[in-house]
Amino acid sequence: EPEVTQTPSHQVTQMGQEVILRCVPISNHLYFYWYRQILGQKVEFLVSFYNNEISEKSEIFDDQFSVERPDGSNFTLKIRSTKLEDSAMYFCASSSTGTSTDTQYFGPGTRLTVL
Amino acid sequence: GNSVTQMEGPVTLSEEAFLTINCTYTATGYPSLFWYVQYPGEGLQLLLKATKADDKGSNKGFEATYRKETTSFHLEKGSVQVSDSAVYFCAPLERAGSYQLTFGKGTKLSVIP
Repeated sequence: EPEVTQTPSHQVTQMGQEVILRCVPISNHLYFYWYRQILGQKVEFLVSFYNNEISEKSEIFDDQFSVERPDGSNFTLKIRSTKLEDSAMYFCASSSTGTSTDTQYFGPGTRLTVL
Repeated sequence: GNSVTQMEGPVTLSEEAFLTINCTYTATGYPSLFWYVQYPGEGLQLLLKATKADDKGSNKGFEATYRKETTSFHLEKGSVQVSDSAVYFCAPLERAGSYQLTFGKGTKLSVIP
């Protein structure tokens, strides 16, 4: 069964450093998403992406964040200058049609720890 | 914005007990509704979904019925197993530009032998 994959599983970085989290969505999917879950809190929507551009972003997704689909398979989330409060589990998801009944399939997550 | 209220956990049950995890939501319109499950050390997995009123989603013995009148989507299982121990998330799919999931806080279930 196709699945979303994410690398690395755990990333430790120093405050102020740039990080890139990588995702490989399900191959025939066209809609891509990032969510995050700060420890002990809700899973929160960050951004959605379709046709090589951002469809929607939340208030969390400020200028420090960017997303890119650099080739036909990868989907990346970059945090330009990490802050302590960026420590969280980051989940990538993909879906096929992006419609009101579509299912979003999630990857296993990348745990980001900012020191 | 929309919100989701799930029953507070943790919930501890003995094997073969009946499970109910309550979920209510506020939304504009009638969103598709999802339950996701997160097993220890793993990511979010789709458990079941329902896309319109009175639909019943089911999978692995779990069921949930889309109740439009009460804006609820309670998760039930008749006989839980130790392997069902996980965190369960209720999530309507709402439109705000694109379609995005709004998650509840999650309910941790522990099933003891």
